[in-house]
Amino acid sequence: AQRVTQPEKLLSVFKGAPVELKCNYSYSGSPELFWYVQYSRQRLQLLLRHISRESIKGFTADLNKGETSFHLKKPFAQEEDSAMYYCALKYGNKLVFGAGTILRVKS
Amino acid sequence: GAVVSQHPSWVICKSGTSVKIECRSLDFQATTMFWYRQFPKQSLMLMATSNEGSKATYEQGVEKDKFLINHASLTLSTLTVTSAHPEDSSFYICSARKVGTSGSAGTGELFFGEGSRLTVL
Repeated sequence: AQRVTQPEKLLSVFKGAPVELKCNYSYSGSPELFWYVQYSRQRLQLLLRHISRESIKGFTADLNKGETSFHLKKPFAQEEDSAMYYCALKYGNKLVFGAGTILRVKS
Repeated sequence: GAVVSQHPSWVICKSGTSVKIECRSLDFQATTMFWYRQFPKQSLMLMATSNEGSKATYEQGVEKDKFLINHASLTLSTLTVTSAHPEDSSFYICSARKVGTSGSAGTGELFFGEGSRLTVL
């Protein structure tokens, strides 16, 4: 079955520290993975997708098929990065989400 | 940019009544819309896939007679919670898939509404 696991409910770091939000997936097919972000009082929005291999707001994520992971990383956290982050897996026409990780960046 | 709007954003109703939530794609056409339910501090759970002009496809465990979905046009999908009970209280979120530049469905980016909070007394 398709599954996305985000093991950390909350990740708290200091400003300027590196950030890694973990995401593991379970899918028998060829995965298409995304990271979505939800800032306080705002709607869910796409942060990045693995097929684009892009860096958005300093964040990157590499798909590791061997480890079935798609961890989100940023070398230097900023206070405005504080938000809820969801990892998502697309299968067929659907999107399944992980439980989400709250990132808190402290000054 | 692509905008998806939900209405109402917040609704309180009495137990036993029905509530309709609208999801509109404001500046693009969406042949497919999705309805999610989110419990406090939990993830989004896909309830159903709404296809324009055809019946919705419900996920396992979701009562289709309880959660009626209609996708009458390329810009509007509605979710009606029938005979609502307190356990139906939740945050309902819709998303719409923008058709990809190639013109094929299923490749376009997904845009989310702001969500609708339902409280059933």
